[in-house]
Amino acid sequence: EDKVVQSPLSLVVHEGDTVTLNCSYEVTNFRSLLWYKQEKKAPTFLFMLTSSGIEKKSGRLSSILDKKELFSILNITATQTGDSAVYLCAVEGSNDYKLSFGAGTTVTVRA
Amino acid sequence: GAVVSQHPSRVICKSGTSVKIECRSLDFQATTMFWYRQFPKQSLMLMATSNEGSKATYEQGVEKDKFLINHASLTLSTLTVTSAHPEDSSFYICSASPRPGYTFGSGTRLTVV
Repeated sequence: EDKVVQSPLSLVVHEGDTVTLNCSYEVTNFRSLLWYKQEKKAPTFLFMLTSSGIEKKSGRLSSILDKKELFSILNITATQTGDSAVYLCAVEGSNDYKLSFGAGTTVTVRA
Repeated sequence: GAVVSQHPSRVICKSGTSVKIECRSLDFQATTMFWYRQFPKQSLMLMATSNEGSKATYEQGVEKDKFLINHASLTLSTLTVTSAHPEDSSFYICSASPRPGYTFGSGTRLTVV
């Protein structure tokens, strides 16, 4: 059974701080790792990672994957209150298109 | 980009009644759609994989007779919660995409009273 563990479960920071979220995984026949941001409704897609060591960036967010150590990190720099959300990590096996989600990290950014 | 429409966004029903939730891919064809359930402060749990023209594949512990899935066309999958009970109250989300995992519907908040 695929397993995804995220840490920390929650954190509180002040605007301007940098946060690093962790995601470790065990999956049969790894295909990809995905990061999502979830506010009040359904998750919105952030990144999909398939190759080790290649950083993906989108504005103040960036993510990288280590397929040898089986983990990924998501960084958010210069945090803003709008970054407050639950960040979900999911892995996809190559046998099917199913996603296994971690429990999520709740990020609260205070003004 | 790929758009997935889910309806209704919110529904309240009485115990014992059935509720149907629709998931549509608006600008692409989806042979496979996924249904997830999310309880408060928990992550998404895959319930079933909906396959166009064939039976859905249910995850372990999900009752197929209670959660009926129909995927009659390449753009529409429906999830019917039959004989709903208060413990079925949850947030139900579908996913479909030319590249599965990218796009989620907006979710349906089901409350059974």
